[in-house]
Amino acid sequence: QKEVEQNSGPLSVPEGAIASLNCTYSDRGSQSFFWYRQYSGKSPELIMSIYSNGDKEDGRFTAQLNKASQYVSLLIRDSQPSDSATYLCAVNPGGGYNKLIFGAGTRLAVHP
Amino acid sequence: DGGITQSPKYLFRKEGQNVTLSCEQNLNHDAMYWYRQDPGQGLRLIYYSQIVNDFQKGDIAEGYSVSREKKESFPLTVTSAQKNPTAFYLCASWESPGGYTFGSGTRLTVV
Repeated sequence: QKEVEQNSGPLSVPEGAIASLNCTYSDRGSQSFFWYRQYSGKSPELIMSIYSNGDKEDGRFTAQLNKASQYVSLLIRDSQPSDSATYLCAVNPGGGYNKLIFGAGTRLAVHP
Repeated sequence: DGGITQSPKYLFRKEGQNVTLSCEQNLNHDAMYWYRQDPGQGLRLIYYSQIVNDFQKGDIAEGYSVSREKKESFPLTVTSAQKNPTAFYLCASWESPGGYTFGSGTRLTVV
């Protein structure tokens, strides 16, 4: 059974701080990785995708991938109250059908 | 604007009743997916379709059925065989290499 694990949180950070969200996955052959943000009662929206080891930056967001450790993370710099949401990690195990496997999500709370 | 439209937003099902959730996309994407989300759990794959007139079961297909008669449409039927259908249902399409685009979801409740 292929799995994606996330700490459920809540992760509480003060406004302006760096929020660090972590995700581990079980399938060593996984090829691509995604972070989605989901506000309460809404559908997920894509924040970042990452395909190769290292860091990928987009504005205040940085995704980090370490395939050897089967670990992917998301850093949010200068956290804002509007960043308060659940962050879902998703993994594409390959095989040609793009059937993403999702973690249960980490709830982030940014307090003023 | 391109996107995925799911309807209805809220749906109530009586015991023994079949209900159909609509999913329409104007993104010209070939691959479409249905996921179910329960509180505290990750999204779980119900069915997926790579092309018109072809679809495959996902991890939790029992009690559900789908059709893919048109590229734009991928409706999901929740049958009476699904014993615990209360959940948030999400339809998605795949855009290479960027990942899924999701619809706004349908919240189904058994009454």
